[in-house]
Amino acid sequence: EPEVTQTPSHQVTQMGQEVILRCVPISNHLYFYWYRQILGQKVEFLVSFYNNEISEKSEIFDDQFSVERPDGSNFTLKIRSTKLEDSAMYFCASGRENEQYFGPGTRLTVT
Amino acid sequence: EDQVTQSPEALRLQEGESSSLNCSYTVSGLRGLFWYRQDPGKGPEFLFTLYSAGEEKEKERLKATLTKKESFLHITAPKPEDSATYLCAALASGGSYIPTFGRGTSLIVHP
Repeated sequence: EPEVTQTPSHQVTQMGQEVILRCVPISNHLYFYWYRQILGQKVEFLVSFYNNEISEKSEIFDDQFSVERPDGSNFTLKIRSTKLEDSAMYFCASGRENEQYFGPGTRLTVT
Repeated sequence: EDQVTQSPEALRLQEGESSSLNCSYTVSGLRGLFWYRQDPGKGPEFLFTLYSAGEEKEKERLKATLTKKESFLHITAPKPEDSATYLCAALASGGSYIPTFGRGTSLIVHP
């Protein structure tokens, strides 16, 4: 059964550094998403991507964040200058209109 | 503002002891109600989407039901491997495809 994959599984970075989180969505899916989950908190929507462009983004997704689908299979989330409060699990999801399948997540630790 | 409230926050059951988890939602028209299972340190695993009041879906020991204000996840004769956090999310009708997640119910099933 196809799955969403994410790399790395854990990323430790220093405050102010740039990080790129990578995702390989399920191949026949058209919608792609990034979510984050701070430890002990709700899953929070960041951004959705459809037809090679951002379709929606939350207020969390500010100018520090960007997404790309560089080669038709990978889907990346870039955080330009990380802050301590960016420490969280970041989940990629792909799907159809009313179903989303999540990847295993990247644990980002900003020190 | 769209809201999703799950109860109880935590539930401990003995193996074989059936119970139900509740998800109350307040959204401006429901497009879909999702249930996920999340194991510690992992991404949410899609279980069900429900679309209209009266709808029911089943998978193994799990059955999800939907009314106009809430959804229930019934667990029949649970096993220790059913231990996880169960998340629900509501998607409102309209132009947005951003789901609102609840905080989840942490289920522990003792052998």
